[in-house]
Amino acid sequence: DTGVSQDPRHKITKRGQNVTFRCDPISEHNRLYWYRQTLGQGPEFLTYFQNEAQLEKSRLLSDRFSAERPKGSFSTLEIQRTEQGDSAMYLCASSSRREPLGTQYFGPGTRLLVL
Amino acid sequence: AQKVTQAQTEISVVEKEDVTLDCVYETRDTTYYLFWYKQPPSGELVFLIRRNSFDEQNEISGRYSWNFQKSTSSFNFTITASQVVDSAVYFCVLGDNYGQNFVFGPGTRLSVLP
Repeated sequence: DTGVSQDPRHKITKRGQNVTFRCDPISEHNRLYWYRQTLGQGPEFLTYFQNEAQLEKSRLLSDRFSAERPKGSFSTLEIQRTEQGDSAMYLCASSSRREPLGTQYFGPGTRLLVL
Repeated sequence: AQKVTQAQTEISVVEKEDVTLDCVYETRDTTYYLFWYKQPPSGELVFLIRRNSFDEQNEISGRYSWNFQKSTSSFNFTITASQVVDSAVYFCVLGDNYGQNFVFGPGTRLSVLP
């Protein structure tokens, strides 16, 4: 399977704990996006990487959230001191410079539940 | 500010009926992109179509067609002869000129009944 993969698929944690999610984009896709989707809502943009550079961050990305893409390949999203309001599906998407601008391929998501 | 409105929260149709999903957007940008994505019950978002703001030509792809009207800031999606497999949540998306920031609408849940 050469699609976008995310790990883990599900995560249950206690309030106050730190969690880290991983996204592996499609090979050679230089653009990578993180989104958050709560139940019954559309995905909300969190951040964007072009290669290893984080070029765009949403105001939704509080200082408890940090994302990295150290070598321009996989990316991690860390949430520190989790709160119940962080419970959501975290989606990763990637796209290639060869694709029409903005066309994104989404992973299956990581569902986070904060107790 | 950029905004996408999908006024229809849920739609139910019977198989073989045609259905149109509405999308209205707001942006101050002169160059932007519009998309439709499908999220089936399995959860993974699937890209359907992309339009740029300078191309108002309507598009048809099989049973799917899209009507982009810049004058009314609308980008509506029609499914002809709907099938049960079309049941999903459909999102209209507004993207900036740089492919860096995207605003999703709240989605329309389509149920196609056999």
